[in-house]
Amino acid sequence: KAGVTQTPRYLIKTRGQQVTLSCSPISGHRSVSWYQQTPGQGLQFLFEYFSETQRNKGNFPGRFSGRQFSNSRSEMNVSTLELGDSALYLCASSSQGTHDTGELFFGEGSRLTVL
Amino acid sequence: QQQVKQSPQSLIVQKGGISIINCAYENTAFDYFPWYQQFPGKGPALLIAIRPDVSEKKEGRFTISFNKSAKQFSLHIMDSQPGDSATYFCAAMSSGNTPLVFGKGTRLSVIA
Repeated sequence: KAGVTQTPRYLIKTRGQQVTLSCSPISGHRSVSWYQQTPGQGLQFLFEYFSETQRNKGNFPGRFSGRQFSNSRSEMNVSTLELGDSALYLCASSSQGTHDTGELFFGEGSRLTVL
Repeated sequence: QQQVKQSPQSLIVQKGGISIINCAYENTAFDYFPWYQQFPGKGPALLIAIRPDVSEKKEGRFTISFNKSAKQFSLHIMDSQPGDSATYFCAAMSSGNTPLVFGKGTRLSVIA
């Protein structure tokens, strides 16, 4: 069974640009969550999508947005990039939602560098 | 406001020793406490988890100890090996479609 796939793995952007990251969950998984990982803050929750609906949202500004498609694939977008957005963005999928087992299956992440 | 506080930030342990990582939480609604392990260049992966109806759970060399009254839980790695060198995250969540919240992580280095 293929794992969670994230693309691109690495990207470099400049301040003010926008970026779109993609995540393909494990086949059959309907929940996709996004986390931002930075050395100082650890893993911070961005949002969760379940069956194309945003079910939870973390405490991030509106520049961060996401969506989920009917095949459960998800994208997240960051507009008007700031230097502080440099981070590893992790996508995680679960079969029905984190409340059931709590097990998230993470991809390897997309490392964003903002110059 | 950090919902799960994890310590220490980094830890160096001799091969064969015991590694101990601690976490504390405030939200009494939390009812699921997993630990995730992350190797460089990889995403975190579930290592072991516990629910508050038990005080301890052991899987191989890894043990979670849970103290509900103190709102604390810890990960013990017995006979630590160089291959255990990774970043460990504690996490917590409550039932009802709420997100998993993570501690800031502990970088463990096991030296020979």
